[in-house]
Amino acid sequence: SQKIEQNSEALNIQEGKTATLTCNYTNYSPAYLQWYRQDPGRGPVFLLLIRENEKEKRKERLKVTFDTTLKQSLFHITASQPADSATYLCAPPSHTDKLIFGTGTRLQVFP
Amino acid sequence: DAGVIQSPRHEVTEMGQEVTLRCKPISGHDYLFWYRQTMMRGLELLIYFNNNVPIDDSGMPEDRFSAKMPNASFSTLKIQPSEPRDSAVYFCASRPGQGMADTQYFGPGTRLTVL
Repeated sequence: SQKIEQNSEALNIQEGKTATLTCNYTNYSPAYLQWYRQDPGRGPVFLLLIRENEKEKRKERLKVTFDTTLKQSLFHITASQPADSATYLCAPPSHTDKLIFGTGTRLQVFP
Repeated sequence: DAGVIQSPRHEVTEMGQEVTLRCKPISGHDYLFWYRQTMMRGLELLIYFNNNVPIDDSGMPEDRFSAKMPNASFSTLKIQPSEPRDSAVYFCASRPGQGMADTQYFGPGTRLTVL
């Protein structure tokens, strides 16, 4: 079955450093992948979408890569700030186009 | 636009009681999704509607769960009878109709606790 894996352990980094979060998928090849941010007590908020023919996508301090050979997407936040602290979810579609959300990785940026 | 509106924000009930969660999608969005989020299982899709018609309810855990969308601006998710294992945060999301890759807009969620 289709499976999405994100590092369940929290990622703690110092302000100003680059945070890198990983999303691995198995048993299928999604045509695109979305990344969402979720703050405590709130619903997920869309950040970026990357398609299978795009190796890299950028938005301000955010960068997403999509390696269809490795079946992996990396999400980078450069010059991280304490306000970036949140849980980040990756969401590729299933074979029926429904989004499958990973369990998310919690990022904590310390001043 | 106010975004996706959900009510109530918190619900505490006793096992066996009926629970109704409500959602108002963003005006003009053709798709509406109901999700459930728990620490163990993450965010799971329960059911989604397109133009008020249920398209896929394969994620609904069992017959105790039902969802309706009587019009384009309102949907309900009902649990009858509720059980402690139903305790979770339930999110409603809506999406424009252009294509499946479009962004989903989530509501603030309803935190359900079944005692």
